[in-house]
Amino acid sequence: QKEVEQDPGPLSVPEGAIVSLNCTYSNSAFQYFMWYRQYSRKGPELLMYTYSSGNKEDGRFTAQVDKSSKYISLFIRDSQPSDSATYLCAMRNNNAGNMLTFGGGTRLMVKP
Amino acid sequence: SAVISQKPSRDICQRGTSLTIQCQVDSQVTMMFWYRQQPGQSLTLIATANQGSEATYESGFVIDKFPISRPNLTFSTLTVSNLSPEDSSIYLCSALPEALHFGNGTRLTVT
Repeated sequence: QKEVEQDPGPLSVPEGAIVSLNCTYSNSAFQYFMWYRQYSRKGPELLMYTYSSGNKEDGRFTAQVDKSSKYISLFIRDSQPSDSATYLCAMRNNNAGNMLTFGGGTRLMVKP
Repeated sequence: SAVISQKPSRDICQRGTSLTIQCQVDSQVTMMFWYRQQPGQSLTLIATANQGSEATYESGFVIDKFPISRPNLTFSTLTVSNLSPEDSSIYLCSALPEALHFGNGTRLTVT
């Protein structure tokens, strides 16, 4: 079983829809949770970075962490065709170095 | 956050040759990290590079195949040796203090 599980998709939604992307994890020592967006032929771009359980909002993006359920989510409101990309969740346990453990990524397609 | 630059951005190499990838950070950093992203896959940590000491490799990655240099606090190289088609991937580096940001990576295709 992978430490971080993420539905690979593809997830196809119409423009303007609310998108929900999710990851589950098994290691309760993970303390930091990140979401990255990766366009084709580009490196991952950090979107959101959270430390504790709860919600964090940045524009159209909301990151949600539920440590008790070992579950994190990224919500995208009013999705745009430019949001079409692969979204990767990542986690870090600072007590075990600074490496990031990634989910497999979810490919999102927003259709105009 | 540190700005990370990698060279080359892409390369096509023949089987059996080697490719050295450079990672430059715009500020001094203690640790640098090398990741591999195979086609359609997520990122996997290859090794952690500290200045002045041997790199620390993750399970499944060995120094003979992926030698790393870390000559100073802003620069590191990763060499992928004895290339085979299975090495075709994107190779990315990141760096402390946050180790959260990546450059655009190096896209390697082995023919």
